Amino acid sequence: DQQVKQNSPSLSVQEGRISILNCDYTNSMFDYFLWYKKYPAEGPTFLISISSIKDKNEDGRFTVFLNKSAKHLSLHIVPSQPGDSAVYFCAAPLIIQGAQKLVFGQGTRLTINP
Amino acid sequence: EPEVTQTPSHQVTQMGQEVILRCVPISNHLYFYWYRQILGQKVEFLVSFYNNEISEKSEIFDDQFSVERPDGSNFTLKIRSTKLEDSAMYFCASRAGGGQPQHFGDGTRLSIL
Repeated sequence: DQQVKQNSPSLSVQEGRISILNCDYTNSMFDYFLWYKKYPAEGPTFLISISSIKDKNEDGRFTVFLNKSAKHLSLHIVPSQPGDSAVYFCAAPLIIQGAQKLVFGQGTRLTINP
Repeated sequence: EPEVTQTPSHQVTQMGQEVILRCVPISNHLYFYWYRQILGQKVEFLVSFYNNEISEKSEIFDDQFSVERPDGSNFTLKIRSTKLEDSAMYFCASRAGGGQPQHFGDGTRLSIL
C-alpha cells in the first residue's frame, strides 16, 4: 500500500533557512491532506492540513502547497528552528462508508542544525 | 489543551498472553481509532469506532483483536493471544467529526517476548 509516499527519509537544514518536506500520492479520491509532526516517545501531533480545492494553506511559519495535477504536496517551514527537529508525516484520509482512516507516508526526519 | 491519554506507556507480555491497551480519548470526540507502527515501518490503521460499533477495520485486525468502549471515557484494544509480530507502538486517536483532524495519544510500546 503506497498511496502516500515520502521519498526522503531524512533532511538536514540550517537554523533560519527554509525546510521543504515533500509528499506524493496516488489516490485521486483523497479530498484533503494533513501533516503531522512526531517527537521521540510522543504521538503524532497535527500540524496543518489542506483541502483538495485549495493549492495553499498557511499557518504562521508553516505553509502547505498542493499540486493536484502532479499529485504532490509539500510542507514549507520558514524560518526553521531547532524545535522543528522531528519526524514529519504526510497523511490523507480514506473515507469508506462514512468511516475515516488515515493513510500515512513513511515520514521524513527533519534535523535543524544551529 | 485536551489530549488523548494512553496507558501503559510500555507493556511487556509473554507470547500467547492477552493484553489490553487503554486509551482515554478527548471528551467531546465521537470517532475513535487505533493505529500501530512496527519499528522502522509506516503508521498503519487498525480500526475505527463510532456510535459504539466498529465502522472500519484493516486486514491486520483479525479475530485476535477487539475494541471496546466500556464506559463514557475509556476506549480499549484487546489482543487475545499475542504473537511476536504484534510487537509495535500502538497509537489511539480520536476526532470530533466533520473536517476535524485526528488527535493522537503518545502510544503504548508493546513488546512480546
